Amino acid sequence: DVKVTQSSRYLVKRTGEKVFLECVQDMDHENMFWYRQDPGLGLRLIYFSYDVKMKEKGDIPEGYSVSREKKERFSLILESASTNQTSMYLCASCELLAGAGGELFFGEGSRLTVL
Amino acid sequence: GDSVTQMEGPVTLSEEAFLTINCTYTATGYPSLFWYVQYPGEGLQLLLKATKADDKGSNKGFEATYRKETTSFHLEKGSVQVSDSAVYFCALSDLANSGYALNFGKGTSLLVTP
Repeated sequence: DVKVTQSSRYLVKRTGEKVFLECVQDMDHENMFWYRQDPGLGLRLIYFSYDVKMKEKGDIPEGYSVSREKKERFSLILESASTNQTSMYLCASCELLAGAGGELFFGEGSRLTVL
Repeated sequence: GDSVTQMEGPVTLSEEAFLTINCTYTATGYPSLFWYVQYPGEGLQLLLKATKADDKGSNKGFEATYRKETTSFHLEKGSVQVSDSAVYFCALSDLANSGYALNFGKGTSLLVTP
């Protein structure tokens, strides 16, 4: 089975702190994604990566950056956390593009609270 | 741009009731359509998909048919169970619009009571 592992299920951080959310997948997938999930807003794409060291902005990249130094690992970075970044963050990966019918595999999520 | 609109919840049904969750979409090309499900405390997982018009996706008793003429992909199940309680997301991805990522609807929460 494909496994997408997010390093932290729950985090509490203070405003202004630098936050790292880590994601690792074990199926050698080319494509990886970071979404945030908020009640009433569904899932919104922050960034995605289609290869090592390659990244593309999604719909809401402001306040975030990403790093993909190895194929299996995709990190989301909040340079200076703010309260409006309190949310559930979901990492996903896939081999075949969703546009071609590919399935995204999701981690269990990281719930971040910024105080 | 591409978008998905699904009915708002929460939807509360008794066990063995019939379920419909409406989903309509807007896309410039010929998108692939998906239903994902999120059980409490878990990440999302694919429930079913359809990649071209008139295709029917099915899984675990759930079905959805890709209707290009009405731009819809409604989710149905004939007899729901308590274990179906979850949040359901309709989504699309369109190769005419990069095709990398999924555009999700806002989700519909389903509660099935015994």
